[in-house]
Amino acid sequence: GQQLNQSPQSMFIQEGEDVSMNCTSSSIFNTWLWYKQEPGEGPVLLIALYKAGELTSNGRLTAQFGITRKDSFLNISASIPSDVGIYFCAGLENPNTGNQFYFGTGTSLTVIP
Amino acid sequence: DAGVTQSPTHLIKTRGQQVTLRCSPKSGHDTVSWYQQALGQGPQFIFQYYEEEERQRGNFPDRFSGHQFPNYSSELNVNALLLGDSALYLCASSFGGVGVEQFFGPGTRLTVL
Repeated sequence: GQQLNQSPQSMFIQEGEDVSMNCTSSSIFNTWLWYKQEPGEGPVLLIALYKAGELTSNGRLTAQFGITRKDSFLNISASIPSDVGIYFCAGLENPNTGNQFYFGTGTSLTVIP
Repeated sequence: DAGVTQSPTHLIKTRGQQVTLRCSPKSGHDTVSWYQQALGQGPQFIFQYYEEEERQRGNFPDRFSGHQFPNYSSELNVNALLLGDSALYLCASSFGGVGVEQFFGPGTRLTVL
């Protein structure tokens, strides 16, 4: 199966700092998504990206679809304590031929007040 | 508007037993996907159901089977449980079979002893 590698694996930051994380794949994806998962809950969709080079924002979150289609990036500006959680990237190869998402290994974010 | 619901929330089984997990999709959704999330890892796609048929399957053995009912709810069955089947099982719903934006339920925590 496809391997999606996320980095860093974990982050410990001060409240107010900006956060950057990325996701790389061994193969090309046509759609990238970013999810956040909190303890005891399922992942929640944050941002969906559909075109190479696309830059999309959702409040303090900004994500980019890499030009090579093999990577994606998520930035969080001015972090707050409620940003704590595990962030997953997910890729979809071809939505027309199938709907199998591949998830990354996750980046655990801790925000220190 | 109810979101995705799953039952039970927790389950303990012993090796060799069989288990059935249930999922009700978000109102208006007709497609259900199942994922297995081992501790510390990202979700792994098991299969997807649309129009009461399995449309796509991930790299999981035949011990994993499912069903979708006319009301779009779904069941995941796992036979001959192994210790390695211990995980959080997530259900995600979407619309129209090729729905990219999946909404996840809170999951069922399965422990196999």
